[in-house]
Amino acid sequence: NAGVTQTPKFQVLKTGQSMTLQCAQDMNHEYMSWYRQDPGMGLRLIHYSVGAGITDQGEVPNGYNVSRSTTEDFPLRLLSAAPSQTSVYFCASSFKSNQPQHFGDGTRLSIL
Amino acid sequence: SQKIEQNSEALNIQEGKTATLTCNYTNYSPAYLQWYRQDPGRGPVFLLLIRENEKEKRKERLKVTFDTTLKQSLFHITASQPADSATYLCALPASNDYKLSFGAGTTVTVRA
Repeated sequence: NAGVTQTPKFQVLKTGQSMTLQCAQDMNHEYMSWYRQDPGMGLRLIHYSVGAGITDQGEVPNGYNVSRSTTEDFPLRLLSAAPSQTSVYFCASSFKSNQPQHFGDGTRLSIL
Repeated sequence: SQKIEQNSEALNIQEGKTATLTCNYTNYSPAYLQWYRQDPGRGPVFLLLIRENEKEKRKERLKVTFDTTLKQSLFHITASQPADSATYLCALPASNDYKLSFGAGTTVTVRA
């Protein structure tokens, strides 16, 4: 089983560039979410989705967009990258929001 | 929003001893609390979930307690092994049950 797959694993961007972080799950989970992890700050929720066509903001949504056109995919878009968005990004999924989360192995993003 | 505090220091213990980690939260009491393990360069992996009406939960050498009066969860690793060395995260729902908040984590190192 693939579980939660994130691509790319590493990415370097220049300030102002845009890109999309991909996340796919093969477990038919309804709930999906994006977190960023910075040293000493733990995981912070960016956006989440409770099902296809439904998304909402988390704790730190500014500078990020999401969409959920299918159950399997939940891409995260950076519209105009800023150095403050340098971080490790994790995607997670579960059947429902109040159940254990399955995480991908992250995308390490550096903005120069 | 919920504030979560875990042991701020890293925990270094001798193999065979018990490691005890704390997770304290403020504001309202959550319906459940989760614990995750994270290894370097990997995404968090779910370990245990304990609900507000459960005082204690066990899984092999792991034990979690949940004291809603103290607003605290304790996570114990008994008969610790070097393979238990990792960062352990506690997580609980924010005011909105769709949002999961994480502590910054406690890094445990078990010496052989």
